[in-house]
Amino acid sequence: AQKITQTQPGMFVQEKEAVTLDCTYDTSDPSYGLFWYKQPSSGEMIFLIYQGSYDQQNATEGRYSLNFQKARKSANLVISASQLGDSAMYFCAMRGHNTNAGKSTFGDGTTLTVKP
Amino acid sequence: DGGITQSPKYLFRKEGQNVTLSCEQNLNHDAMYWYRQDPGQGLRLIYYSQIVNDFQKGDIAEGYSVSREKKESFPLTVTSAQKNPTAFYLCASSIEAAPYNEQFFGPGTRLTVL
Repeated sequence: AQKITQTQPGMFVQEKEAVTLDCTYDTSDPSYGLFWYKQPSSGEMIFLIYQGSYDQQNATEGRYSLNFQKARKSANLVISASQLGDSAMYFCAMRGHNTNAGKSTFGDGTTLTVKP
Repeated sequence: DGGITQSPKYLFRKEGQNVTLSCEQNLNHDAMYWYRQDPGQGLRLIYYSQIVNDFQKGDIAEGYSVSREKKESFPLTVTSAQKNPTAFYLCASSIEAAPYNEQFFGPGTRLTVL
């Protein structure tokens, strides 16, 4: 089985500041992928960033970076220089390779509000 | 433009009726997925398919059925056995069902049971 936990139902951040969204996970697979998605109020899901379990370096994509701490089973998303358009719901997800091949598990999400 | 289309955007159903949600992709992806999202909550996996003519149950498959006769199509039927079907349904696809492939999502179908 695999599980994703996002402990922050809602977060506020001032425009232009950085914010960290927490994600912890649990899995029995030795190989897995971790993903972050953004869901605006329109409902679409937008892929942001990916981290493989064997990647040595933390992933970065523009203003998004993933703080991956494998021993602690955490994969926190860091958004730098927040913009008003970053206000949305953010989901952490994972997919395993062996026993959970193909199955994607999502957390309950964090609602981020960027204040002007 | 490549992408995933879902239709209809809004769907209303009377209790006791089956209804089929459409999902089509032209990305040439092997894997396709159906998720359910309830208000303020995350996505839960209903069914997924790693290849044509094959599919597996996800975490909440009861009351749902799928087919995968063509690579580009993965329709979801919500049957009358699904006790609480009102929700937002998202279809997704990925190149393959590997842990390193991101999923691409359709715009979703909002189903309301009257």
